[in-house]
Amino acid sequence: KTQVEQSPQSLVVRQGENCVLQCNYSVTPDNHLRWFKQDTGKGLVSLTVLVDQKDKTSNGRYSATLDKDAKHSTLHITATLLDDTATYICVVGDRGSALGRLHFGAGTQLIVIP
Amino acid sequence: DMKVTQMPRYLIKRMGENVLLECGQDMSHETMYWYRQDPGLGLQLIYISYDVDSNSEGDIPKGYRVSRKKREHFSLILDSAKTNQTSVYFCASSPGTGIGAETLYFGSGTRLTVL
Repeated sequence: KTQVEQSPQSLVVRQGENCVLQCNYSVTPDNHLRWFKQDTGKGLVSLTVLVDQKDKTSNGRYSATLDKDAKHSTLHITATLLDDTATYICVVGDRGSALGRLHFGAGTQLIVIP
Repeated sequence: DMKVTQMPRYLIKRMGENVLLECGQDMSHETMYWYRQDPGLGLQLIYISYDVDSNSEGDIPKGYRVSRKKREHFSLILDSAKTNQTSVYFCASSPGTGIGAETLYFGSGTRLTVL
């Protein structure tokens, strides 16, 4: 059963618009949550990591929130650029040790059009 | 420059052939991983290596084996490839022996097609 659900599956926005990507999970325990960006045909690049029970991070035009009580995270992208076109993947780590596992969502495909 | 390099980028093999996927990293990371990515699914862990000759099965190890004889190099081997092993394979590395909040570095992937 999928333990990390991302929505929407795909999203089209116009350059300059803002967008919000959602991640809901059932992973227990939930030590941390990461967002990755994957350009077509490329590997995953880490955007941010969230650790606290209610956490917020900001990395340029990317900002993210985590609510471990709700098991929910959001990734906000402001003033989108064409280069933001990519798949965004939510990953939940169930522990902070070598005994843990990373649980990957299937991703949200974002397309930014002119 | 921190990098995870995968070779080859594309590979086509016939069912029953042996397959070798190579991965190298230049960051002296202890921990390395092999994942596969299929459409509509999240990445699935095949094997994890904590250091030289210290490897553990992931969630889907069947049909695969690995080799790590040097810290900077981690190989994935498919003995007698099957058509359902057609996928994109990603190698990753991380510092330390944990998978906590430290950053994971991914290679660009190897797209394997088994005919």
